Amino acid sequence: AQSVTQPDIHITVSEGASLELRCNYSYGATPYLFWYVQSPGQGLQLLLKYFSGDTLVQGIKGFEAEFKRSQSSFNLRKPSVHWSDAAEYFCAVVPLTGGGNKLTFGTGTQLKVEL
Amino acid sequence: EAGVTQSPTHLIKTRGQQVTLRCSPISGHTSVYWYQQALGLGLQFLLWYDEGEERNRGNFPPRFSGRQFPNYSSELNVNALELEDSALYLCASSSSRDSDRDTQYFGPGTRLTVL
Repeated sequence: AQSVTQPDIHITVSEGASLELRCNYSYGATPYLFWYVQSPGQGLQLLLKYFSGDTLVQGIKGFEAEFKRSQSSFNLRKPSVHWSDAAEYFCAVVPLTGGGNKLTFGTGTQLKVEL
Repeated sequence: EAGVTQSPTHLIKTRGQQVTLRCSPISGHTSVYWYQQALGLGLQFLLWYDEGEERNRGNFPPRFSGRQFPNYSSELNVNALELEDSALYLCASSSSRDSDRDTQYFGPGTRLTVL
């Protein structure tokens, strides 16, 4: 079945430490890939996206993500986390065909930053 | 450039009532999407409108309906409200330009509470 998996429900990091949030997908063909962030009670903000080309994608707020076709993964990284990065992070996909343009989201990873 | 706007921010209804949520897309965007984010259920796709037509529908009962107006704004209507309809309703929009067609930008959401 087609799915998006974020294995980590909660992650806690210290401010200044590096961060990696995992995302795996299961689709026949590589879908379009996205990372969104949601602060409490807010909407979703697009961090970055991957359609094709360079497998290392730069986004806003110092985030980057690496697409690895062999592992069906699209992990989000940040070299040094700031306290303001505490939020919930969602990986999402739009299939190339048959998806009807809808975003399918992972279950999210809640990031806590310790000062 | 103004982002996606939604109204109202919050509302409280009782079971059996009807509610209308409103969304204005980013200027120049022709597609509008609706998602439900209910506690414990994650982000689920509701509806997609493009150029005034319903293009895709998620797995929701017919009491969830909507429309898109000539100015590309959209309404989501929910009839016969049930307690489990309590959720954050998110609207997103996307451009018709090929380079950005599959990227959805979200509004701040409308928090619906059903008592």
